[in-house]
Amino acid sequence: DSGVTQTPKHLITATGQRVTLRCSPRSGDLSVYWYQQSLDQGLQFLIQYYNGEERAKGNILERFSAQQFPDLHSELNLSSLELGDSALYFCASSWTGASNQPQHFGDGTRLSIL
Amino acid sequence: DQQVKQNSPSLSVQEGRISILNCDYTNSMFDYFLWYKKYPAEGPTFLISISSIKDKNEDGRFTVFLNKSAKHLSLHIVPSQPGDSAVYFCAASVTGANSKLTFGKGITLSVRP
Repeated sequence: DSGVTQTPKHLITATGQRVTLRCSPRSGDLSVYWYQQSLDQGLQFLIQYYNGEERAKGNILERFSAQQFPDLHSELNLSSLELGDSALYFCASSWTGASNQPQHFGDGTRLSIL
Repeated sequence: DQQVKQNSPSLSVQEGRISILNCDYTNSMFDYFLWYKKYPAEGPTFLISISSIKDKNEDGRFTVFLNKSAKHLSLHIVPSQPGDSAVYFCAASVTGANSKLTFGKGITLSVRP
């Protein structure tokens, strides 16, 4: 158990809809990361937050947004969903967000767009 | 552009033997490397890491070797156990930049009893 909690585990919805994925980091970790894993793809970095502030952005679509709340949990919002958004979405956390610290991953949310 | 490459999609070894998982990278700015193990329906689990100032790091049965000139790293598992059967991801990051990890596509390791 990594200590990172993601909900829900599975989400099935239709094209055009909006969903929110939630992540609670490990106790004491200040930085949260979001990654997307599509079929046949490695994990792709989406966005990083540190203590409530956005720190880094990857190839995150404009239809996607995220935030980190004062209690350090984070939410990833996906809107105007398309079939290609079907993927596993992982959240990870680390203590300070420094690049020489391992990130610890949750078990992911599997998003299926019908 | 795949900056971290795990060219062999799968590896099968006998229990008790050594497993060697390889990873190549193209970005010479990478200076921190990690290996993660992933079981089905679970998230990646951190295994071991190495900084570019070292060429070897060991933790129990797991050893990571880094060859900076060849831009190559490998994970050795000795002895391999059936519970090691999983997908192994190599990842890399750049110190001082944002701390995003760049992952390879993974290698499926099967350890035969």
